[in-house]
Amino acid sequence: ETGVTQTPRHLVMGMTNKKSLKCEQHLGHNAMYWYKQSAKKPLELMFVYNFKEQTENNSVPSRFSPECPNSSHLFLHLHTLQPEDSALYLCASSTTGTSGGAGTDTQYFGPGTRLTVL
Amino acid sequence: AQSVTQLDSQVPVFEEAPVELRCNYSSSVSVYLFWYVQYPNQGLQLLLKYLSGSTLVKGINGFEAEFNKSQTSFHLRKPSVHISDTAEYFCAVSENSNYQLIWGAGTKLIIKP
Repeated sequence: ETGVTQTPRHLVMGMTNKKSLKCEQHLGHNAMYWYKQSAKKPLELMFVYNFKEQTENNSVPSRFSPECPNSSHLFLHLHTLQPEDSALYLCASSTTGTSGGAGTDTQYFGPGTRLTVL
Repeated sequence: AQSVTQLDSQVPVFEEAPVELRCNYSSSVSVYLFWYVQYPNQGLQLLLKYLSGSTLVKGINGFEAEFNKSQTSFHLRKPSVHISDTAEYFCAVSENSNYQLIWGAGTKLIIKP
């Protein structure tokens, strides 16, 4: 496969469940991102990893727990979510390996996981 | 960059007509500007970006955008739209040393046959 893949594409979970979202990039990139996309709102950056190290955490509730075992894989572990967490969760990657110049990089997105919390 | 405003949540336009999608930003420093497109049931992909140089940037699928520093705008244009351009378009802004893109809320382009 090429590009950025995400699994599952759709997920329905109860508030007491624990689930994980998976992202894999086949582009040789060093930085990976999790975004939350809600209708009629700007994309919300949740986490950034660069060379497997977390560099951004935008005040995300602790019920979201990211994991980046290597530069190609990114996970988002979910537990005790709330209905307002229902959204499209997008993974992206970019080439940046250093902090300088990160703002110029193109981000490559996966198709997203549509999450519904009941 | 402090904020990005996409003034129109939806833009309906007839097929083969021209279109302009508006984007304004607020920032006190130099910025880089992006337009991304999201087709139905897909992730976002880059249409074009402005980093430096010519203020008129050409992108994929016949789109172009013009950076206007004095008006802090980066409007997206296409001279003749096609039904396949039906999608949501996002404007985003970044600063050099920061991974974070500041995103607009998106504009849905609706092509009428």
